[in-house]
Amino acid sequence: EAGVAQSPRYKIIEKRQSVAFWCNPISGHATLYWYQQILGQGPKLLIQFQNNGVVDDSQLPKDRFSAERLKGVDSTLKIQPAKLEDSAVYLCASQQFGAGGYTFGSGTRLTVV
Amino acid sequence: DAKTTQPNSMESNEEEPVHLPCNHSTISGTDYIHWYRQLPSQGPEYVIHGLTSNVNNRMASLAIAEDRKSSTLILHRATLRDAAVYYCILRPQASPLVFGKGTRLSVIA
Repeated sequence: EAGVAQSPRYKIIEKRQSVAFWCNPISGHATLYWYQQILGQGPKLLIQFQNNGVVDDSQLPKDRFSAERLKGVDSTLKIQPAKLEDSAVYLCASQQFGAGGYTFGSGTRLTVV
Repeated sequence: DAKTTQPNSMESNEEEPVHLPCNHSTISGTDYIHWYRQLPSQGPEYVIHGLTSNVNNRMASLAIAEDRKSSTLILHRATLRDAAVYYCILRPQASPLVFGKGTRLSVIA
């Protein structure tokens, strides 16, 4: 089966600019997650979708971050305006159901200068 | 969130077994024990999970203590491709994964 696709793979922007990341989960996976991973740390959950509805966005900095999942399939994560501390790898993961494992994409490495 | 304690780093020789420990003394009855690993420049990869009984799959084995307060991930024969950060995570059912810092495993040829 095809994996979780993410694009772009790398992105460099200046602070105060905006950026968007795209994720295509595994077909049929109802649950989708966005994580932020700062260098040297474990991934941190930003938002969880179940189909096209938000389940948990308590750790999403809503003043600058937004996310949507259209038609319960693809998802986009946007940052506007970006800050230097947003430099990180943004990981998308999907899960079929229940207590099973997640499948992660390779991530988008964002550098804010 | 329930917490786990793992060594920061471990080293293993190639083709030898590796036992990665994880302590989780505050585990509750409904927490699943998940293990993921992250190779350089890649997203985390699911390895194995269990609730009470030991589990085996093609990648590894998971040994869970009888009181469930600790577990061990066993790689039966380490290869250079097993060098990664290994995360032990407690996950209440239907809750999202919460990652700690994990154990960085180095494999020596």
